[in-house]
Amino acid sequence: GAVVSQHPSRVICKSGTSVKIECRSLDFQATTMFWYRQFPKQSLMLMATSNEGSKATYEQGVEKDKFLINHASLTLSTLTVTSAHPEDSSFYICSAMLAVAKNIQYFGAGTRLSVL
Amino acid sequence: GDSVTQMEGPVTLSEEAFLTINCTYTATGYPSLFWYVQYPGEGLQLLLKATKADDKGSNKGFEATYRKETTSFHLEKGSVQVSDSAVYFCALTESGGYQKVTFGIGTKLQVIP
Repeated sequence: GAVVSQHPSRVICKSGTSVKIECRSLDFQATTMFWYRQFPKQSLMLMATSNEGSKATYEQGVEKDKFLINHASLTLSTLTVTSAHPEDSSFYICSAMLAVAKNIQYFGAGTRLSVL
Repeated sequence: GDSVTQMEGPVTLSEEAFLTINCTYTATGYPSLFWYVQYPGEGLQLLLKATKADDKGSNKGFEATYRKETTSFHLEKGSVQVSDSAVYFCALTESGGYQKVTFGIGTKLQVIP
């Protein structure tokens, strides 16, 4: 099956620093990737939809200048949390969608971000 | 907007016990329904799906039936194994071209020998 690799799996950083999370589709080309966030005891919430070669589409309430998304190739999307603060501590997970199978998303293992 | 409600775990069962994880949904159209599973340290994997009313999705001994009248998609398995220990997410996508996924909270299942 299709494999999505997400790195790092866990990161701890100081408040005010920026953190980059990578999402790679290893054995297929993904024209669309998604970034989700999960708070404790809550659902995964869609943050943004990333299309290769174009600007990401952010969900309402998500700060695009805070969460920078780049989808420069068909196999890589990155999420950068800029000037991270403790309230950004969360579980972030990406998914990738095949162009020909639009009702199935393949997920990475997620990244646990802790901001001190 | 769309929403998915599922029981909050953790659910602890003995091996070979019967499993039910309840899931109900709210959607404006005719959604497709999914169950995803996340094993420790891995990404979410699609477990099963159903795209229209009365469809039954099944995989690895798990089953769920799309019940439009009760807006439910409960996950069941007749005899769980230790290897089934994972977090299970109920989810939906609306009909149409935009495949935004709405997830439930996730239910952690722990199966003990």
